[in-house]
Amino acid sequence: AQSVTQLGSHVSVSEGALVLLRCNYSSSVPPYLFWYVQYPNQGLQLLLKYTSAATLVKGINGFEAEFKKSETSFHLTKPSAHMSDAAEYFCAVSLVQYSSASKIIFGSGTRLSIRP
Amino acid sequence: EAGVAQSPRYKIIEKRQSVAFWCNPISGHATLYWYQQILGQGPKLLIQFQNNGVVDDSQLPKDRFSAERLKGVDSTLKIQPAKLEDSAVYLCASSLSPGGHYEQYFGPGTRLTVT
Repeated sequence: AQSVTQLGSHVSVSEGALVLLRCNYSSSVPPYLFWYVQYPNQGLQLLLKYTSAATLVKGINGFEAEFKKSETSFHLTKPSAHMSDAAEYFCAVSLVQYSSASKIIFGSGTRLSIRP
Repeated sequence: EAGVAQSPRYKIIEKRQSVAFWCNPISGHATLYWYQQILGQGPKLLIQFQNNGVVDDSQLPKDRFSAERLKGVDSTLKIQPAKLEDSAVYLCASSLSPGGHYEQYFGPGTRLTVT
């Protein structure tokens, strides 16, 4: 069965430092993988997605993620953190149920804090 | 384009009362989802519609939760009667198609507090 594990419920970095949010997945078939961001009192917004094309996926706001099949990982990175990046980040895997339907399984989330 | 609309944004009720949430998806999106997000957790799918038909309601507590999407557009999620553990944010999302690679667009959510 598909599942997603996010390592670290809270990550704190200094402004300008590297951001690394970890995600490992479990899937019996090639997965679709996503990173969503949630700002306070808002819904989720797609940052980027992997759909079996390039293994390095670039998203919005300078974020990128690399799909590593051998490590079953899809970690999210950003070279230089900005104060506006403070939010909750969710990794997700798409579970194909049958030909016309799929559903997304979300990880438990990682709260990113940025120190001035 | 207009995003996914939800109302109300906040609701406080006492246990055993009833409550209903409304969602208007992005125009043209055939697939609609309702999620429950408990504080500190990721969203959990409650029900998925394709047009006005239910695709997946395996995690919907059917003894107290119900949802409908009568004309394949707007949707309503109801809880009757509410329990304390139903306190959560209820998110509605829509996508163009149910395919696994299609992006889901989320509304702002309804924060429910059951006292």
